[in-house]
Formats: sequence, C-alpha cells, structure tokens
Amino acid sequence: AQSVTQLDSQVPVFEEAPVELRCNYSSSVSVYLFWYVQYPNQGLQLLLKYLSGSTLVKSINGFEAEFNKSQTSFHLRKPSVHISDTAEYFCAVSRAGGSNYKLTFGKGTLLTVNP
Amino acid sequence: GAVVSQHPSRVICKSGTSVKIECRSLDFQATTMFWYRQFPKQSLMLMATSNEGSKATYEQGVEKDKFLINHASLTLSTLTVTSAHPEDSSFYICSATSGGAYEQYFGPGTRLTVT
Repeated sequence: AQSVTQLDSQVPVFEEAPVELRCNYSSSVSVYLFWYVQYPNQGLQLLLKYLSGSTLVKSINGFEAEFNKSQTSFHLRKPSVHISDTAEYFCAVSRAGGSNYKLTFGKGTLLTVNP
Repeated sequence: GAVVSQHPSRVICKSGTSVKIECRSLDFQATTMFWYRQFPKQSLMLMATSNEGSKATYEQGVEKDKFLINHASLTLSTLTVTSAHPEDSSFYICSATSGGAYEQYFGPGTRLTVT
C-alpha cells in the first residue's frame, strides 16, 4: 500500500513570491506521482505528473515538481505565484504498471496568495 | 478533451430517501470509473472502483448495499445513496480513466446534503 504526506496544511504567500508545497510518499513498489489542483466547489484538475523519464516535470502555468526517489519526495514549486493560484493542492500516488489505477491522496495544502 | 461531468451538482434530500448521482465521460470511453468522498477541508477518500460491465470493487469500510454503483456503459456510471442519513452529507466526486492511461479525469463533484 502507498501513503502520501503533505507536510503543510496551509501555505500563505504574497503575490509574485516563490512557493514550495511539500509532498512525501511511502511505497514498497515503484510509483507514479501526481499533483492535482482543486478550486472551491470544483473537482480536481491534473497539474502535472511523473510516470518515468526526466525527474523534473513542468506544467503549462509555471509549476514544476521534481521526483526524488532517495528522499521519496515530489515537491511542487513555482518561482512567482499569482492571485489566481489560490486553491487546494493535492499530491497523489499510484502503483506503477499493471492495471490498477487507484490513487492515494495526501490531505491537501491550501495555497493562499495575498496581494 | 477528457471531460467528465456530474449531475446534479447539488442535491438536498430528506433522511431515509435515496439519491442518484450520475458521472459521464463526455469525449472518451471510460473503462474504469472511481467514486470518491470528500469531507470539508479533507482529502479524497476512494469509495469504489467500477469497470464497465462488472461489479464495483468497494474499499474497506464502504457499505456496498448503501452506496450502489452501476457502470452500465463506457460513458456512464451512477452512484445511488440508499436510505440516506445526515452523516452521508458530503462532496462526492467521480473520476474516469481510459484503458492504458494512468491519468484520472475528475468530475466537478456533487454536494449532497441530507436533512
């Protein structure tokens, strides 16, 4: 079984400041890693994913995350945030390979960007 | 592409009644659909996994007779909450994936309030 720990439940930052949302996972098998974003009263949207290959993955809106196998981490970063980035961010993991697509989610981090 | 819809977005029902929530994949065939429950300010908890034409696989602790899941076609899954009680009030989110893809596409969620 897998588990995900998001160390910060809330992260307040000022607009244009850099941000890092931390995610650590635990698994006895290889995993795929995901970051999802949830705006109020909406479903989840995929922000980025790591399946294989380059350990640094990037989204179209400036977020990036790096898979660190030795530290079992997949932290999410953005060098300069906008007001519109205010949302709940969930880190998730699934078992790599096979036909089981089940996701295990962390508890989420509420990113609040203040003017 | 990869749009998932849910209907209704909000529903209020009286204790003891049943309510059905629909989840549709609009532009792809969903071989697997998932149903999640999300409590306020908490993460998503997987309730069950359903494959088209098969019985759903429920997570431990989820009552299969209370949460009836039907996945009759490659584009539609339904969740029926039977004999609903106030403690069933929650945000229910579905997701869908197509064969061979490890990415889940999420619906916008359904807010259920049982009075």
